[in-house]
Amino acid sequence: QVQLVQSGAEVKKPGASVKVSCKASGYTFTSYDINWVRQATGQGLEWMGWMNPNSGNTGYAQKFQGRVTMTRNTSISTAYMELSSLRSEDTAVYYCASYYYMDVWGKGTTVTVSS
Amino acid sequence: SYELTQPSSVSVSPGQTARITCSGDVLAKKYARWFQQKPGQAPVLVIYKDSERPSGIPERFSGSSSGTTVTLTISGAQVEDEADYYCYSAADNNLVFGGGTKLTVL
Repeated sequence: QVQLVQSGAEVKKPGASVKVSCKASGYTFTSYDINWVRQATGQGLEWMGWMNPNSGNTGYAQKFQGRVTMTRNTSISTAYMELSSLRSEDTAVYYCASYYYMDVWGKGTTVTVSS
Repeated sequence: SYELTQPSSVSVSPGQTARITCSGDVLAKKYARWFQQKPGQAPVLVIYKDSERPSGIPERFSGSSSGTTVTLTISGAQVEDEADYYCYSAADNNLVFGGGTKLTVL
């Protein structure tokens, strides 16, 4: 079945970087954009950016410009989201989402930023 | 930047009709989608292209659009429909989510 499997939880110190992976299966990875969305505890959904897995083209929300990088490895159908210069406010669950209308989501990766 | 505005909460009794609105200038030109999110779970798409329902989503979920406002309607809301609902849309390769609406069914 169509699914996105994300990497496990991460704990990082302020100033560090984190790289979250998202492995697609059950469909042609290069056919649909991958979007990254995060959600802090008790807060709403926040769109971070998108990537076209075929071309590698990306588009980032203004808030994350300069701090986020989205990449992919088409040979293993995996997308990556790297966020740098982490601060406590980046503590959140990070989701990847894809398919026709963003109708397939990963289960989320918890990233905790704490000294 | 684009903004989508939703009420923070809506409350209905089981069997009643729940309506959740989402307003924003971008909605006059772009389609909206609706996501349902239950505690501890990833969001689930319930409406796309303003009013289309993905397979597997109950018929009681419907969507409509008028000008700069889209509406998610749950006809005969069930206790299991209690969740957070988010609208979202896209413009100029940017996506934006509404702030979310907590639907209480009791």
